[in-house]
Amino acid sequence: RKEVEQDPGPFNVPEGATVAFNCTYSNSASQSFFWYRQDCRKEPKLLMSVYSSGNEDGRFTAQLNRASQYISLLIRDSKLSDSATYLCVVNMRDSGYALNFGKGTSLLVTP
Amino acid sequence: DVKVTQSSRYLVKRTGEKVFLECVQDMDHENMFWYRQDPGLGLRLIYFSYDVKMKEKGDIPEGYSVSREKKERFSLILESASTNQTSMYLCATGGTYYEQYFGPGTRLTVT
Repeated sequence: RKEVEQDPGPFNVPEGATVAFNCTYSNSASQSFFWYRQDCRKEPKLLMSVYSSGNEDGRFTAQLNRASQYISLLIRDSKLSDSATYLCVVNMRDSGYALNFGKGTSLLVTP
Repeated sequence: DVKVTQSSRYLVKRTGEKVFLECVQDMDHENMFWYRQDPGLGLRLIYFSYDVKMKEKGDIPEGYSVSREKKERFSLILESASTNQTSMYLCATGGTYYEQYFGPGTRLTVT
């Protein structure tokens, strides 16, 4: 299976900062894209889907660049509670309903 | 809300034992998945199932088997547990748009 690559971090940012994560994927036929959040010793939870036109959910903005095969997540006005690992996730057309998970980018928001 | 439950949060087994991990979902989803997650390796797909009695191998099926006798239940079986199977095991169910919802995980230690 093809790969999804992320900068592992950690990203250490102060409260209120804006932080951006990127990931790249290798299969140009990929069709569905997501960001998941995982807290320490907990299960991954769906943060948001990523649409071709870009989408926003409160302080979170996700963008997709199909030509360059990368996905981004922007977090504005960071909160302490945003500290977690963020997983970039892609569905590859040739893998049916299975998802490919990046290894995650660690974010620590400090007071 | 989607609810995915796993039979145990923590489990300690001895080498050579047969281990059963159970996962139950209440959303009538057809697709279910078993992953393991290890530090530095991310989530790796063990097996998945598209329907009752159907199963497909993921990336690391060796040493594992699965059973899906009912739509809502997907079991992972370690035929003869080994120390290298010490890991966090995560079950997930698949939604309409390829997104997945995870159970809380089972942290298995094989001694």
